[in-house]
Amino acid sequence: QSVLTQPPSMSGAPGQRVTISCTGSSSNIGTGYDVHWYQHLPGTAPKLLISGNSNRPSGVPDRFSGSKSGTSASLAISGLQAEDEADYYCQSYDSSLSGLVFGGGTKLTVL
Amino acid sequence: EVQLVESGGGLVKPGGSLRLSCAASGFTFSSHTLTWVRQAPGKGLEWVSSISGNSNYIHYSDSVKGRFTISRDNAKKSLYLEMNSLRAADAAVYYCARLVGSYSNYFDYWGLGTLVTVSS
Repeated sequence: QSVLTQPPSMSGAPGQRVTISCTGSSSNIGTGYDVHWYQHLPGTAPKLLISGNSNRPSGVPDRFSGSKSGTSASLAISGLQAEDEADYYCQSYDSSLSGLVFGGGTKLTVL
Repeated sequence: EVQLVESGGGLVKPGGSLRLSCAASGFTFSSHTLTWVRQAPGKGLEWVSSISGNSNYIHYSDSVKGRFTISRDNAKKSLYLEMNSLRAADAAVYYCARLVGSYSNYFDYWGLGTLVTVSS
């Protein structure tokens, strides 16, 4: 059971917008720790997608955006493309565990 | 270009030991905290351990504390993970990743990983 909760799977048609949620608690996201997002394709290195809740590193398309409110965060992907089919993970810090924590991951399928 | 290349994975029996390595290039190695993150088959990502640039700060997840030891050699630009008393639950792809940030840390670069299989 992951400390941060994500839907196991989501899907969308090309061109659509999907939003992946990440729900935490008062010991992590709710305390004020930032949420970061990663994209992971099997057999490749995970890639940083969003840092500090909403910041896109250089090279990440502006179709990807992040937000945070209360004890939750979201990753939105607009104009869905076939190449977006991947696993997506949120990550933060948990003060009760004194460690870095991930969500369980969301497998995104582009129909 | 930042590169992290893991090695040392393989098949080991339960109770056995293994040492993973991560060779880094493309950045000032001694200035960055490095970490190990793993992914068990069919599971999500799990942070394992972190070590600061000068090795003064070391942290482990509860699942590996007392069995794994993280270390680094700044002269060789290498990160290590000594894994002892291995269990079936430790079987995973182990990634080396660079940790950045101040208040809320995150992983900005990752390696491709090395596979550890624990089986008799």
